[in-house]
Amino acid sequence: KAGVTQTPRYLIKTRGQQVTLSCSPISGHRSVSWYQQTPGQGLQFLFEYFSETQRNKGNFPGRFSGRQFSNSRSEMNVSTLELGDSALYLCASSLVRGTGLYEQYFGPGTRLTVT
Amino acid sequence: SQQGEEDPQALSIQEGENATMNCSYKTSINNLQWYRQNSGRGLVHLILIRSNEREKHSGRLRVTLDTSKKSSSLLITASRAADTASYFCATDVRYRSGGGADGLTFGKGTHLIIQP
Repeated sequence: KAGVTQTPRYLIKTRGQQVTLSCSPISGHRSVSWYQQTPGQGLQFLFEYFSETQRNKGNFPGRFSGRQFSNSRSEMNVSTLELGDSALYLCASSLVRGTGLYEQYFGPGTRLTVT
Repeated sequence: SQQGEEDPQALSIQEGENATMNCSYKTSINNLQWYRQNSGRGLVHLILIRSNEREKHSGRLRVTLDTSKKSSSLLITASRAADTASYFCATDVRYRSGGGADGLTFGKGTHLIIQP
């Protein structure tokens, strides 16, 4: 069974631009969660999607948004990029909703650099 | 804010020795999970222990959970060079009133280095 895939793997954007990251969960998994990892703040929960609906949201500004499609693939968007948005963005999928109830399967991440 | 805090922040041991990492958390949890991350890559799930369990084993891994002390430990026995990685504990806090969870909350991690 193929694992979680994320595209692109690396991305360099300029401050003020917007970016869209994509995540394809493991086949059959309906929950997709997004996390931001930085050296300073560590791993922080962004949001979880299940059945095309956002179920939970972390403490991030409205510039961070996402969506999930009927095939469970998910995208996250960051508008008006700031230097502090430079991070590794990780996507994780799970069989059912509730990020902590079951193990999460993580993708390799998208390394975003904002200059 | 961080829910889980790992200790130590970094640990260097010789191959073949045992490695122990600790995690403390602040609020009541449904379960606690340990993950491994190799050099800025995705996380790999190691083990999940529920709040009503005290100890769990998986291969060379042993996890304990003490909910009265709000702490957990991860023991890796007979360490190998391939175990070099960062290890994170993650907690799933109990559902807030009105439903909904806050997502997995990760600690800053323990960076483990296994010297050959």
